[in-house]
Amino acid sequence: NAGVTQTPKFRVLKTGQSMTLLCAQDMNHEYMYWYRQDPGMGLRLIHYSVGEGTTAKGEVPDGYNVSRLKKQNFLLGLESAAPSQTSVYFCASSYGQSFNEQFFGPGTRLTVL
Amino acid sequence: GENVEQHPSTLSVQEGDSAVIKCTYSDSASNYFPWYKQELGKRPQLIIDIRSNVGEKKDQRIAVTLNKTAKHFSLHITETQPEDSAVYFCAAFSGGGADGLTFGKGTHLIIQP
Repeated sequence: NAGVTQTPKFRVLKTGQSMTLLCAQDMNHEYMYWYRQDPGMGLRLIHYSVGEGTTAKGEVPDGYNVSRLKKQNFLLGLESAAPSQTSVYFCASSYGQSFNEQFFGPGTRLTVL
Repeated sequence: GENVEQHPSTLSVQEGDSAVIKCTYSDSASNYFPWYKQELGKRPQLIIDIRSNVGEKKDQRIAVTLNKTAKHFSLHITETQPEDSAVYFCAAFSGGGADGLTFGKGTHLIIQP
């Protein structure tokens, strides 16, 4: 069991470039989440999905898009990267939403110049 | 939406002493309160959680207490050890198909030898 994996681990972008972060889980979880972590700000929810083919906005969704075409994968896209999107991005998954542990991936460190 | 405040932001204790981290939440409908530990450069991992119908839960050296009336919950670590050094995040889940977990901003726990 690999658990939750993220690709890539590191990335440097120039302002205006686009990229997609991939999250994969092999635990057959229904729920998947994307968070960003900034110093002193904790973890903030960007988007989440309650099942294949569904997505919903979290606390800080602007500038990001997501897709959940397959149950095991959750993609986070940045269409036009901005320096304010420099952050560490964590994906997580859980079997249910409430009363359920969220399992986190190893994170992706993104720098936008 | 839910708002979670966490204090202190940094806590330094002598090895062997106890550490207490406190969180307050705003949404009285919140019913699940997990605590995550994040070591430097690693992913957050669940260490203990509590549901709203329970006032206290203990797991070896770690305990969590919940006061629903006052809307606050606390993490207690006894007999601290060097490996307890990490950032600890509290979180609250308010349910209702809303935004999932809302995290506090974290407490950096430092164990002094």
